[in-house]
Amino acid sequence: GAVVSQHPSRVICKSGTSVKIECRSLDFQATTMFWYRQFPKQSLMLMATSNEGSKATYEQGVEKDKFLINHASLTLSTLTVTSAHPEDSSFYICSASLGGTFGSGTRLTVV
Amino acid sequence: GIQVEQSPPDLILQEGANSTLRCNFSDSVNNLQWFHQNPWGQLINLFYIPSGTKQNGRLSATTVATERYSLLYISSSQTTDSGVYFCAVDTGRRALTFGSGTRLQVQP
Repeated sequence: GAVVSQHPSRVICKSGTSVKIECRSLDFQATTMFWYRQFPKQSLMLMATSNEGSKATYEQGVEKDKFLINHASLTLSTLTVTSAHPEDSSFYICSASLGGTFGSGTRLTVV
Repeated sequence: GIQVEQSPPDLILQEGANSTLRCNFSDSVNNLQWFHQNPWGQLINLFYIPSGTKQNGRLSATTVATERYSLLYISSSQTTDSGVYFCAVDTGRRALTFGSGTRLQVQP
């Protein structure tokens, strides 16, 4: 079946630094990938839609200059959290457009 | 946008008990899925069920699209069933809108 690989699974970074999260479709091509964020004990909220070869579309309230998305190939989308702050600490998870297949998520802690 | 509500928010069961989780949605949908999120955060797809009834082992799900709700049945619950259960709907964007979740704890 379709597999989405997400790395890293866990990252701790200092406030003010940037962190890159990768999302790869392993056995299929994904022209569209989705990025979600989940705060503790809350639901998953869509942050942005990543489109191969074009600009990402962001949900209302999500800062596009803070959460940079690059979808340079049909199998890889990256999310970079720039100038991270403690309030960005969250669980980030990607999915590919094929049947809602999800990566394993990245737990980001900003200290 | 579409509203997705789940009930109950929390549920504690003794091992072996049965339970029913409910998902109500406010508009028509192309797709509805049920997920189990384990303690490590991994989302496990349980059912793709825009309408009708499906069964997989001790789990079954029913979606009544005309009345905008879906039910997830867990029979003979086990401690490994613990976690958070989400329903999520697709209104045609292919991105999913998630409900608030039901946190299930199965005690031995």
